[in-house]
Amino acid sequence: SAVISQKPSRDICQRGTSLTIQCQVDSQVTMMFWYRQQPGQSLTLIATANQGSEATYESGFVIDKFPISRPNLTFSTLTVSNMSPEDSSIYLCSVESLETYEQYFGPGTRLTVT
Amino acid sequence: AQSVTQLDSQVPVFEEAPVELRCNYSSSVSVYLFWYVQYPNQGLQLLLKYLSGSTLVKGINGFEAEFNKSQTSFHLRKPSVHISDTAEYFCAVWGAAGNKLTFGGGTRVLVKP
Repeated sequence: SAVISQKPSRDICQRGTSLTIQCQVDSQVTMMFWYRQQPGQSLTLIATANQGSEATYESGFVIDKFPISRPNLTFSTLTVSNMSPEDSSIYLCSVESLETYEQYFGPGTRLTVT
Repeated sequence: AQSVTQLDSQVPVFEEAPVELRCNYSSSVSVYLFWYVQYPNQGLQLLLKYLSGSTLVKGINGFEAEFNKSQTSFHLRKPSVHISDTAEYFCAVWGAAGNKLTFGGGTRVLVKP
């Protein structure tokens, strides 16, 4: 298993600003994932972040809006840029077990954009 | 068409009654199946998983699920629920839409006394 922490746990931001969310894992992992969970909705994968390469974005998500960094095997950041109220969501990072395909999730960052 | 479908968005159930949450997926290749639970204001926790072998899998907190390949289903069951089982439950499938985890829409379980 893996223990994942995220910072901040929640934030209230004004539209037009940007927020960077940090994700820290207690072990080295190859891939990290970023998800968005809009209010009352399921999880949608934003992108997959591999250390040493560009993140791979899912359809509907672009790097200019959600830039991701992956400087080492235990850390990643997701920035939500030029925010609008539609970006109000919970953002979760996760890592995957290569043996079981199980994903372990961080506690999430609850973002409210006013 | 959705890759993972949870047929019930909300399931009210009385305490100590059984509950079944339905999950169907669409895929022509082998998949790996998971159920996660999200308690209010918390992250996701794995309940159980199916990778291979016995089609009946048992998880934490008394939950179990059965993989039915012919019906492409992975329904979750618990014979007797507790108030503490009130949560959102997500079915997730690895491989249904590429090499990634795809989530169903979620089922909100409300256990009433």
